[in-house]
Amino acid sequence: DAGITQSPRYKITETGRQVTLMCHQTWSHSYMFWYRQDLGHGLRLIYYSAAADITDKGEVPDGYVVSRSKTENFPLTLESATRSQTSVYFCASSESPGQQTRDTQYFGPGTRLTVL
Amino acid sequence: AQSVTQLGSHVSVSEGALVLLRCNYSSSVPPYLFWYVQYPNQGLQLLLKYTTGATLVKGINGFEAEFNKSQTSFHLRKPSVHISDTAEYFCAVSDNDYKLSFGAGTTVTVRA
Repeated sequence: DAGITQSPRYKITETGRQVTLMCHQTWSHSYMFWYRQDLGHGLRLIYYSAAADITDKGEVPDGYVVSRSKTENFPLTLESATRSQTSVYFCASSESPGQQTRDTQYFGPGTRLTVL
Repeated sequence: AQSVTQLGSHVSVSEGALVLLRCNYSSSVPPYLFWYVQYPNQGLQLLLKYTTGATLVKGINGFEAEFNKSQTSFHLRKPSVHISDTAEYFCAVSDNDYKLSFGAGTTVTVRA
C-alpha cells in the first residue's frame, strides 16, 4: 500500500525556470491539496482539488499552477520560480464526502525545493 | 474565516515529564479540530481530532486533547513523554469545507 507519494524529494533550480512537483495517491481519494511549509508560518494552502478537473485557489496561489486530469495525480507547477518559493511542499489527500473519516487529510513525505 | 494560534514555538521537557501544548482558534462555525505531528524529515501524521461529542479526545501514542468551546481552545497533552516524541506539533482547524488552517507549529524537544 503505497499511499501518497511525492517526487522529487529534493530539487534545486534557478530563478525563472519552470518546475513541476508530482503527487500521486493510491487510495482514490476525491480531495487533494498542496501546502507549503515555511518557518514561522506552519502550513499554508496553495491549491486544492475536489475531484478530477475541479481545482480551486487556497491562501497563497500566486505563481503556482495545478491540474488534475486523473483522480490519483495532482501536479504543482511553478511557472517561473522565484527565491521566495524556496520551501518544503506537501501534498495531501482526503476521502470522499459522506465517508466517516472524510475530514482527515493524509500527507505525503514532502518535496524540499531550493530556488537559487 | 478561521485562524489558529499556538503559544510557544519551542518546548523543551525531560523524559517522563508532562508536556502541554496550547492551541487557540477562531472560527465562525463549530469547528473540526486536529493535532498533527511531524517527525524530522517526514510528512505530517494525524495524532487526534475533534469533530463532535466528547470534549476529551484520545489519540495515538498516549496523547490527548480537550476541546473547550468557551475558551476556544484545543490544548494537547501527554502525561509522560518519551525521547521518541521529539517532533514538531501542529494544531489545525476546519470549518467543514475540507480545507485546514494550521498554526505555526511547536517544536518539542525531549531531553534524556
